[in-house]
Amino acid sequence: GAGVSQSPRYKVAKRGQDVALRCDPISGHVSLFWYQQALGQGPEFLTYFQNEAQLDKSGLPSDRFFAERPEGSVSTLKIQRTQQEDSAVYLCASSELGGAQKTQYFGPGTRLLVL
Amino acid sequence: QQQVKQSPQSLIVQKGGISIINCAYENTAFDYFPWYQQFPGKGPALLIAIRPDVSEKKEGRFTISFNKSAKQFSLHIMDSQPGDSATYFCAASRPGTYKYIFGTGTRLKVLA
Repeated sequence: GAGVSQSPRYKVAKRGQDVALRCDPISGHVSLFWYQQALGQGPEFLTYFQNEAQLDKSGLPSDRFFAERPEGSVSTLKIQRTQQEDSAVYLCASSELGGAQKTQYFGPGTRLLVL
Repeated sequence: QQQVKQSPQSLIVQKGGISIINCAYENTAFDYFPWYQQFPGKGPALLIAIRPDVSEKKEGRFTISFNKSAKQFSLHIMDSQPGDSATYFCAASRPGTYKYIFGTGTRLKVLA
């Protein structure tokens, strides 16, 4: 079946613009994660959903970052008033119901560049 | 205590050689250690994972060695191939959580 898909793949934004990044998880996967990957670094956890419930948002760097998954499937990560330090690859991952010890399947990421 | 330190940052290996990547952690509560492989423009993909109750796990050409007392674990790629050229990340997680703590990555290049 299809893997995790993300759109857009690339996004260029002017500083101060709002952006919305979309994630389509693997069908039937209950758990959904967002990670931020800076250039040359490992992914860093942002937030976690189980179905539509956001159970952990401890990694969101500021209140400009907001994520939702209203119907327990597609998720959107929104960044308001983008700053240059927001430039990174944003990865979405999904897994079957369970904790971190369930395999997380990653999408290709959205590369965000804030000018 | 939440960090996972990974080395080397980059590695060049001849085809057929052994690639070795090391990771160290401080938090003894970690109990699951996956390795991910990432090709340019792609998301990370799970390669192999281990729990601390075993000292070694092998899957094909990939082996994880785990040293609980030293709080270190390593990935060995036997008979390295040019197609193995990618960035490798170690990670760790604690019981009851769902997030991974990733290392900083190792860029591996296997020369033909």
